[in-house]
Amino acid sequence: QSALTQPPSASGSPGQSVTISCTGTSSDIGAYNYVSWYQQNPGKAPKLMIYDVTERPSGVPDRFSGSKSGNTASLTVSGLQAEDEADYYCSSYAGSYNLVFGGGTKLTVL
Amino acid sequence: QVQLIQSGAEVKKPGAPLKVSCKASAYTFTNYGMHWVRQAPGQRLEWMGRINTGNGNTEYSQKMQGRVTITRDTSASTVYMELSSLKSEDTAVYYCARESLSSSGLVMDVWGQGTKLTVS
Repeated sequence: QSALTQPPSASGSPGQSVTISCTGTSSDIGAYNYVSWYQQNPGKAPKLMIYDVTERPSGVPDRFSGSKSGNTASLTVSGLQAEDEADYYCSSYAGSYNLVFGGGTKLTVL
Repeated sequence: QVQLIQSGAEVKKPGAPLKVSCKASAYTFTNYGMHWVRQAPGQRLEWMGRINTGNGNTEYSQKMQGRVTITRDTSASTVYMELSSLKSEDTAVYYCARESLSSSGLVMDVWGQGTKLTVS
């Protein structure tokens, strides 16, 4: 299965909004509403931020939101804060117990 | 609180096998599946496989099939990941991660701290 495509970097100033895209195919993102987003700080394990396209786990600020259109999913971070600076990875279920990840996007808070 | 504690860093020679453990605590072990995900230096996350900790059934990625084996010891609330015939390309950090009950889409809600493997 092919990996998902993310922009390598994104940036925004504190208080602004930034959107990170994640492009897949009709066999993964386009076929299932099972897109997740993980935040990873340097040297740390990933942390679940969004699952099932739009759902937020308990404890994740509502500044983080997810959406999907066709074969592309998006993560939007509103009201950027310095602590949001991290790498963000998308993932999608791809059927038959297969999971694919994106290449990651480094979010910089200017 | 819910924790996944993994075994320590490993240095292996090419061709050797690897076995990493992941001990769960503060939740009912057999109620949650467990996944293994690895990340080579500077690379994307890569899903390796998962185990149903209740019945022991496993699923593996196509790429890892035949080289990876995931098992569990319910009495010890521990999951193991074995990787055979190591190559330099297997150098990575290996994570265990608990499967969320809130989704059917292989979502991981709690992660171990990672085990660094160097093959050299």
